[in-house]
Amino acid sequence: GAGVSQSPSNKVTEKGKDVELRCDPISGHTALYWYRQSLGQGLEFLIYFQGNSAPDKSGLPSDRFSAERTGGSVSTLTIQRTQQEDSAVYLCASSFMGVGNEQFFGPGTRLTVL
Amino acid sequence: QKEVEQNSGPLSVPEGAIASLNCTYSDRVSQSFFWYRQYSGKSPELIMSIYSNGDKEDGRFTAQLNKASQYVSLLIRDSQPSDSATYLCAVYGGATNKLIFGTGTLLAVQP
Repeated sequence: GAGVSQSPSNKVTEKGKDVELRCDPISGHTALYWYRQSLGQGLEFLIYFQGNSAPDKSGLPSDRFSAERTGGSVSTLTIQRTQQEDSAVYLCASSFMGVGNEQFFGPGTRLTVL
Repeated sequence: QKEVEQNSGPLSVPEGAIASLNCTYSDRVSQSFFWYRQYSGKSPELIMSIYSNGDKEDGRFTAQLNKASQYVSLLIRDSQPSDSATYLCAVYGGATNKLIFGTGTLLAVQP
């Protein structure tokens, strides 16, 4: 079956603009995660969706970041008023059931804020 | 103390040798443990998961878990140049309900 897909693969934007990143999880996976990986850094947890439960937003770095998951499937991560420090690779992962299960990553979106 | 610690490397091994990658974690009640491989410029790829003490083998890969000592390791037998990558250890702890990643060990397999 198809893996996790993300779009766009690359996004270059100007400081202050809003961006939307999309993630389509593996079919049948109820849990979806967003992470951020800056150059040479580890994976930073951003947000976690599990079924119809309220998302765990504890990793979002500021109120400029938000995410939604529609219909229990596709998710969109939105960054408003982008800053240069937002430049990173944004990775989406999904798993069957919750956090303790195997997470499979998409190819990522490389965001560059000029 | 970091929640998940790995030696950043690089760990250099000759082709055909056994590569041993280690990871320690701080949450004593951690339940699930994973190894990911990440090639430069690519996303992490799951290669092993382990949930109980002991060894788990999959092809050339063996994961070892020792909960009493709070470490998990990955052995790669007959290392190949194509194994050269960063290996990320990830630990799920019930206390945080999050998958916590180490910063990874860079493995370089020399032909």
